[in-house]
Amino acid sequence: DSGVTQTPKHLITATGQRVTLRCSPRSGDLSVYWYQQSLDQGLQFLIQYYNGEERAKGNILERFSAQQFPDLHSELNLSSLELGDSALYFCASSAENTEAFFGQGTRLTVV
Amino acid sequence: GQQLNQSPQSMFIQEGEDVSMNCTSSSIFNTWLWYKQDPGEGPVLLIALYKAGELTSNGRLTAQFGITRKDSFLNISASIPSDVGIYFCAGPTGSGNTGKLIFGQGTTLQVKP
Repeated sequence: DSGVTQTPKHLITATGQRVTLRCSPRSGDLSVYWYQQSLDQGLQFLIQYYNGEERAKGNILERFSAQQFPDLHSELNLSSLELGDSALYFCASSAENTEAFFGQGTRLTVV
Repeated sequence: GQQLNQSPQSMFIQEGEDVSMNCTSSSIFNTWLWYKQDPGEGPVLLIALYKAGELTSNGRLTAQFGITRKDSFLNISASIPSDVGIYFCAGPTGSGNTGKLIFGQGTTLQVKP
């Protein structure tokens, strides 16, 4: 158990819909990272938050957004969903200058 | 942009055999990480390497940080069925940002009992 908790584990939704994925980082970790894993693109960094502020951005679509709350949990919002958004979404957390630990992921299926 | 190339893409071996996989990059990394992903799970950190030439072990796993800082390899000795999974190399892309990672494509390992 990495200590990073993601909910839900599975999500099935229709095209055009909006979903919210939730992540609770390890106790004490200020950084939260979101990754997308798809068969064709592999594991790709989306975005990082540090203590409530956006710190780094990767190949995140404009339809996707994230935030980190005062209690340090984070949410990834995916809107206007397309079939190609079906993927595993991982959250990871880390303390300052230490390695990141990954959650178990949310498997999103868009139908 | 930065890219990590892992090889081989997949391996099918007999239990007890040793395994070797590697990762190369066109650019320099200051840290190399090796993760393992089991089906339905998130990546789990196996070994972290911080210095060129460094050789680090974790049980039956041994990884090395290449002298050029553009490659790394992972060896698994005396493989067992629970070694099955996907192995990823990864490196940080941001200065001092240890969680903003670029990942290789992965090496899928299957072990025949």
